[in-house]
Amino acid sequence: EVQLLESGGGLVQPGGSLRLSCAASGFTFTGYAMSWVRQAPGKGLEWVSAISGSGGSTYYADSVKGRFTISRDNSKNTLYLQMNSLRAEDTAVYYCAHATTVTTNVLDYFDYWGQGTLVTVSS
Amino acid sequence: SYELTQPPSVSVSPGQTARITCSGDALPKQYAYWYQQKPGQAPVLVIYKDSERPSGIPERFSGSSSGTTVTLTISGVQAEDEADYYCQSADSSGTFWVFGGGTKLTVL
Repeated sequence: EVQLLESGGGLVQPGGSLRLSCAASGFTFTGYAMSWVRQAPGKGLEWVSAISGSGGSTYYADSVKGRFTISRDNSKNTLYLQMNSLRAEDTAVYYCAHATTVTTNVLDYFDYWGQGTLVTVSS
Repeated sequence: SYELTQPPSVSVSPGQTARITCSGDALPKQYAYWYQQKPGQAPVLVIYKDSERPSGIPERFSGSSSGTTVTLTISGVQAEDEADYYCQSADSSGTFWVFGGGTKLTVL
């Protein structure tokens, strides 16, 4: 059974930093791209970042490019999201998602999701 | 940046058919995927590759594609289907992923 457990969320001041973690189990971690998706309170889903199975390729939404860094430790089956220069508009539940590909894309869709971790950016 | 457009809301009576559309310029080149999200829960995949249904998803959920528009159809809507539904796809390069704005399905 695929399990994804996020941690690291909390309250942080504008301009601050936070690192999210996602512990994965139940599948061959290196075999799959992974992604972060967020949802601001009362709003829709927003794709944030993705990383290939090897970790060699990373992708970012324009809204976080240059501020967030996605990485993975395949020896620990763990996905990370380092978030710097946080803004009020980054306040959201952040979901870790297992990605699957059915084309030549590094990923196509998100078939397993964690329960999310809440990040609140406020003074 | 690439966008997918969905209607904000759809309302149907129990037993009726609900159709939720999603439009995007790259949809003729990229598959679409649909997720159901209930309050306080993580999203659940209900359709992949435009029209395929994952195991465990009821047969009343189906998907179709025509040009730049994809459609999620829920036949014989039940009260438990009341939720937010999101389409998702990739841009034409396949290196940027996007969700539609979401459609709130209300079962009257």
